[in-house]
Amino acid sequence: GENVEQHPSTLSVQEGDSAVIKCTYSDSASNYFPWYKQELGKGPQLIIDIRSNVGEKKDQRIAVTLNKTAKHFSLHITETQPEDSAVYFCAASPSGGSYIPTFGRGTSLIVHP
Amino acid sequence: DTGVSQDPRHKITKRGQNVTFRCDPISEHNRLYWYRQTLGQGPEFLTYFQNEAQLEKSRLLSDRFSAERPKGSFSTLEIQRTEQGDSAMYLCASSPGTSGGARETQYFGPGTRLLVL
Repeated sequence: GENVEQHPSTLSVQEGDSAVIKCTYSDSASNYFPWYKQELGKGPQLIIDIRSNVGEKKDQRIAVTLNKTAKHFSLHITETQPEDSAVYFCAASPSGGSYIPTFGRGTSLIVHP
Repeated sequence: DTGVSQDPRHKITKRGQNVTFRCDPISEHNRLYWYRQTLGQGPEFLTYFQNEAQLEKSRLLSDRFSAERPKGSFSTLEIQRTEQGDSAMYLCASSPGTSGGARETQYFGPGTRLLVL
């Protein structure tokens, strides 16, 4: 089955700095890669996603890059703000059938004012 | 609010008791997923439905767990004879599935936090 590794487990930055979270996956059949933000006591919130026919996608301060050959994808957050502090999860999902994603273990991002 | 809702948000029970959780998906979504999340981990898949049919169950879903989606709308997850190891956040998500759009994109509810004493 699919295995998703996520690094780092904790990331501490100063407000205004950039943050990068990296994930690798094992199953070449995966072709959908969502990122979720989870705040304490809440469910995961989809923030951005990318499909395998695209190498990069950007939405305001958030961008995701995908390297299918190397089987890794990354989340980039620029101009971080204290409200970006949360746990971020990457996931990899197959193209058809169940679409069941495999999640990474999460990255706790702390943005210091 | 047209998002995924879950009820209750918190549940404390004693070991051996039965508990039931409810999930209401986004109305036009035909797929509904249940996950379990423990501290420091990502969500782990338990089971999913397409309309009223339960199509896949994880090996994590022991015979004490049962899920239903009788009319293809809301779903319930029941845990019988709860154990302390069942303490976790239970998350529900829905997606368009085969009904078009970004069919694989899942939207999560707020979760039900279960504590078994």
